Amino acid sequence: GAVVSQHPSWVICKSGTSVKIECRSLDFQATTMFWYRQFPKQSLMLMATSNEGSKATYEQGVEKDKFLINHASLTLSTLTVTSAHPEDSSFYICSAPPRRGPGETQYFGPGTRLLVL
Amino acid sequence: SQELEQSPQSLIVQEGKNLTINCTSSKTLYGLYWYKQKYGEGLIFLMMLQKGGEEKSHEKITAKLDEKKQQSSLHITASQPSHAGIYLCGAKRGNQGGKLIFGQGTELSVKP
Repeated sequence: GAVVSQHPSWVICKSGTSVKIECRSLDFQATTMFWYRQFPKQSLMLMATSNEGSKATYEQGVEKDKFLINHASLTLSTLTVTSAHPEDSSFYICSAPPRRGPGETQYFGPGTRLLVL
Repeated sequence: SQELEQSPQSLIVQEGKNLTINCTSSKTLYGLYWYKQKYGEGLIFLMMLQKGGEEKSHEKITAKLDEKKQQSSLHITASQPSHAGIYLCGAKRGNQGGKLIFGQGTELSVKP
């Protein structure tokens, strides 16, 4: 079946540094991918829609200069958390839309846990 | 305010007991998904409902979508410790491709 991978699975960084998270579709092409963030004990919040070959679409309240999204190929979207701060520590999950139609679920990656010290 | 309201937010049940989790939307749902998750891990797809009145079952888990397509319930029969986790309902935002919004989640604990 379709698989979406994320790398790294977890990362610890110092405050002020930038962190890049990769989301790959392994056996299919995805012109669109979605990025979500999840804080402990909370639900998934949609951050942005990544579009291959064009600019990402950000949800209200999400800083586009803070969370840079690049969808350079049909199988790879990257999320870069720039100048990370402790409040950016969270669980980040990407997903790709279903291939066959609206009756299928999205394909979710396993997530990346970010801890900013 | 949350577009999807889940209740309860947390639930502790004795093993073997039945339980129900609800997901309510103020707008018509075009597709309602149920997932299970443990925090820090990926989502496990349980089932998807699209039609008003639809009901699906998988093992001991049953999900229903009401006729008005604004409320869904997830029912677990004879709960087991393996059912413990966070249950999330997700809904398509209009017809915008695969974009989903999620409820707050329900954290389920099952006491052996």
